Amino acid sequence: GENVEQHPSTLSVQEGDSAVIKCTYSDSASNYFPWYKQELGKRPQLIIDIRSNVGEKKDQRIAVTLNKTAKHFSLHITETQPEDSAVYFCAASMTSGSRLTFGEGTQLTVNP
Amino acid sequence: DADVTQTPRNRITKTGKRIMLECSQTKGHDRMYWYRQDPGLGLRLIYYSFDVKDINKGEISDGYSVSRQAQAKFSLSLESAIPNQTALYFCATSDQGWTGYVRDTQYFGPGTRLTVL
Repeated sequence: GENVEQHPSTLSVQEGDSAVIKCTYSDSASNYFPWYKQELGKRPQLIIDIRSNVGEKKDQRIAVTLNKTAKHFSLHITETQPEDSAVYFCAASMTSGSRLTFGEGTQLTVNP
Repeated sequence: DADVTQTPRNRITKTGKRIMLECSQTKGHDRMYWYRQDPGLGLRLIYYSFDVKDINKGEISDGYSVSRQAQAKFSLSLESAIPNQTALYFCATSDQGWTGYVRDTQYFGPGTRLTVL
């Protein structure tokens, strides 16, 4: 089955800096890659996703890039703010199956 | 997301007890999932269901069972709870999708924190 690895497990940045979280996946048939944000004590919520037919997607301060050849994808957050502090999860699935395999998560801390 | 609810939100039980966690959704989605979250291990899929008559095991189904009572309800049972089942449990839903383009976004419930003593 699919295996998703996520790095780093913890990331601390200063407010205003950029943050990058990287994931690799094992199954070349995977074609859907969402990112979820989980604030302390809350449920995971989708923040951005990308499909294998595009290489990059942006939504304001958040962007995701995908390299299908290398089987890795990354989350980029620019101009970080304290409210960006949370655990971020990447995931991968084959669209038709809808089974998401999650990475282990990254605890992002943005220091004021 | 108030469209996906879970009960109870917190539960403390003892080893050997039978426990049922319930999930309800008003999103009209066909697909429902149960995940378990442990620190440092992310979210792991326990069971999933694509419609009322469809039940599938996920990656960690041992010790768990499920029931899809209706399109909107999906219950997770621990027949004989053990301490290493102490975790945060999430239910999620997703839409079956449009013709030629499947919607994959999963919407999570608020979670149930289960402690097995």
